[in-house]
Parts: sequence; structure tokens; C-alpha cells
Amino acid sequence: GAVVSQHPSWVICKSGTSVKIECRSLDFQATTMFWYRQFPKQSLMLMATSNEGSKATYEQGVEKDKFLINHASLTLSTLTVTSAHPEDSSFYICSASRVSGGAYNEQFFGPGTRLTVL
Amino acid sequence: GQSLEQPSEVTAVEGAIVQINCTYQTSGFYGLSWYQQHDGGAPTFLSYNGLDGLEETGRFSSFLSRSDSYGYLLLQELQMKDSASYFCAVAYNFNKFYFGSGTKLNVKP
Repeated sequence: GAVVSQHPSWVICKSGTSVKIECRSLDFQATTMFWYRQFPKQSLMLMATSNEGSKATYEQGVEKDKFLINHASLTLSTLTVTSAHPEDSSFYICSASRVSGGAYNEQFFGPGTRLTVL
Repeated sequence: GQSLEQPSEVTAVEGAIVQINCTYQTSGFYGLSWYQQHDGGAPTFLSYNGLDGLEETGRFSSFLSRSDSYGYLLLQELQMKDSASYFCAVAYNFNKFYFGSGTKLNVKP
């Protein structure tokens, strides 16, 4: 159990276009979903936290108007990169958390989406 | 804020034991997790320590000392497939994690 999917797994787009990435928890209801980005050979940087039915909470330095997050249900969150530019090229990874029977929310990661903006 | 330090790269031979250390500074602490990530893949969960001590899962063990703000991941009987990056991540909030910069483990025959 605890499978998280992402779609698409990779996308190439032209500068100025918008790209939507979907994150789904397939066999559990996620209390919270998270969006990370990772540059080559670097760590995962948390971009935002989203809870179903409420606005996402963005980390400092992340433009909320550029990275639109919608959390429509307990199993689906979407990240839209608006007016993408080459510097937005990165590996975007979502994770979904569920209560793990203690003071800890276990996180399960999706397979990631590699975005290349030309 | 949060900061994590772990070695950037470690090399070991097949069958050996390797320890990857992680020291942290954080304004809130719920626990320390370890994740494995192969090139081009997503992180996979290895272990979590919320309390001091050693947690063992097969060939992998993780240790935490909250008083020392220190933890480590111990990998035994190394296999070639263990070559990957290993990230420690501190849970500084009930459900938020800050990831270290990662340790690239190279396992040689």
C-alpha cells in the first residue's frame, strides 16, 4: 500500500507555456500533500504544502502566482507551473502523507516529473 | 530555521559496513528520517527515528541521539545496488521535513 503516482513523468515545453503536474495517492487518503523540486545532484527543496480544500502554504522564496497548487480531493493535488522559463527546468516531486499512529506523518513520494523548458 | 550536515560522498566495497552521519540544527524536532534515491528516481523511505536509540530494518539501521542532535544510517553487507544517494531529513513540524544535501554512496566490487 501507500502508492503515490505522478503524471506526467517527464515533459518538455516551450518557454512561456504552462505545465500541469498531477499527484495522486492511489490506495490511501492523504491528509496533506507536498511539492518539492530538486536540481541535479542537489537536495529536495520543499516548495509548498497543500491540504485538501484549503489554500496551499508556500515556503519562503517560492512564488505562489507562478507555482499554482490545487488540492481538489484527498487523493489529488496538482501543481501548475505558469509561464514556464528555462530556469524552471527541474525535477518536481510530490509526496503524500498519512497519519502513522503517532506524532509523525509518514510521507510517501511520487516518482517525480522531469520538466524541461526550452 | 533548519540545517543538516552529512558527508557529500562515501565509497565502500561490497560486503562492507558503512555509516553515514547526519548532524542537525532545527527550531522544532519530531524525528529524523532517512531516504534512498537512485539516479533519476524518487526518494524511497528507509527509516525513521522519533526517539533516541537504534532502529533496525534488515541490513539497514538508523540511530538517533536527540541530545547530540545527531543521527546515522548504518548499511551492512553492502551490495552494488546500494549505490545511491542517501538523504537525512529532519521533521521540524508535525508533517514537514527539511532534507540534507545528500550523501552519494559508491559501492565498489
